[in-house]
Amino acid sequence: GAGVSQSPSNKVTEKGKDVELRCDPISGHTALYWYRQSLGQGLEFLIYFQGNSAPDKSGLPSDRFSAERTGGSVSTLTIQRTQQEDSAVYLCASSLGMPSSYNEQFFGPGTRLTVL
Amino acid sequence: GNSVTQMEGPVTLSEEAFLTINCTYTATGYPSLFWYVQYPGEGLQLLLKATKADDKGSNKGFEATYRKETTSFHLEKGSVQVSDSAVYFCALRGDDKIIFGKGTRLHILP
Repeated sequence: GAGVSQSPSNKVTEKGKDVELRCDPISGHTALYWYRQSLGQGLEFLIYFQGNSAPDKSGLPSDRFSAERTGGSVSTLTIQRTQQEDSAVYLCASSLGMPSSYNEQFFGPGTRLTVL
Repeated sequence: GNSVTQMEGPVTLSEEAFLTINCTYTATGYPSLFWYVQYPGEGLQLLLKATKADDKGSNKGFEATYRKETTSFHLEKGSVQVSDSAVYFCALRGDDKIIFGKGTRLHILP
């Protein structure tokens, strides 16, 4: 079946604009994660959704960042009033998400965001 | 909180050399440990994992042993190939989220 997909693959925007990044997880995966990969910074955890539970937002860097997951499937990461330091690759991952055991995360190809 | 520290790159080796990429962690409880790899132009993928102390994960000639006494999970390969050139991430899972290290870029010269 299809893997995790993300859109757009590349996004160039002007400082101050809002952007929306989309993630389609693997069908049946209840857990969905967003990460940010900046040059020299590795992977930074942003937010985690598990089923119908309240999301773990502990990694969101500021209140300009928010994410939703509709119907337990597709997720949208929104960045308001973008800043140049938001430029990075935004990665989405999904897994079966059963917390009692490890389930491998499958990563999407990422969205490269450039803020001019 | 949980954290992962791995050696900074880039690491440059000749083909057939022995590879070690160091990784140490800080965590409460008994985390699971992972190595992920990102080949040029590709997405992140799981390379190997270990879920308890003294477990050894292995895949594609790479190995890593979960050492609780030294809180380490060093990645090793006896003879690297040009095709191993990639960025390698050490990671741990404590609760439900995975914490990644900053990544180590590996260059293998023919």
